[in-house]
Amino acid sequence: GQNIDQPTEMTATEGAIVQINCTYQTSGFNGLFWYQQHAGEAPTFLSYNVLDGLEEKGRFSSFLSRSKGYSYLLLKELQMKDSASYLCAVRDMGPGGNKLVFGAGTILRVKS
Amino acid sequence: KAGVTQTPRYLIKTRGQQVTLSCSPISGHRSVSWYQQTPGQGLQFLFEYFSETQRNKGNFPGRFSGRQFSNSRSEMNVSTLELGDSALYLCASTLAGDTQYFGPGTRLTVL
Repeated sequence: GQNIDQPTEMTATEGAIVQINCTYQTSGFNGLFWYQQHAGEAPTFLSYNVLDGLEEKGRFSSFLSRSKGYSYLLLKELQMKDSASYLCAVRDMGPGGNKLVFGAGTILRVKS
Repeated sequence: KAGVTQTPRYLIKTRGQQVTLSCSPISGHRSVSWYQQTPGQGLQFLFEYFSETQRNKGNFPGRFSGRQFSNSRSEMNVSTLELGDSALYLCASTLAGDTQYFGPGTRLTVL
């Protein structure tokens, strides 16, 4: 089966750096995604990792270690608008085909 | 390029009724996936369609069904609605199995 764990909530201060961790167990791993979801809105794509290492995209970076089943999303220079839920999702290429399995999400609160 | 569109955006039904939700993917995208999102369960995979064929299915009862048309538009149907079916239903499209792009969702309330 699949299992994805991430913290339920985090709070950080405007201008700071925050790291959101995600650990996963899946049989047919084929990539890990991070999505941002503001309350009442659809998830929007942030980053994708399929190989080990760090992917940087502006203020956001994502890291993957396949051997450890571990990823993190790093947000720098936090802004109030970064307050949202951050979803870790693993692409499972099992017998049934392509499927994204989501974690429960981490609610990030940015305070001034 | 227009994004994923879903209609209707909001829907209120009563128990026992059925509902059909529609999703139009990004132009050129042939794969459409459906998800149910609830506060308690998070985002759960319903099914995926590619070239009018369902090629993957999540663990939902048979009351949940879907189909895809030749223009890649997709519909999902829920029959005999239950209170627990109240959720945000999200559709996502992808070009060839890579990044999924989500539509705004349909908020279904079952009374």
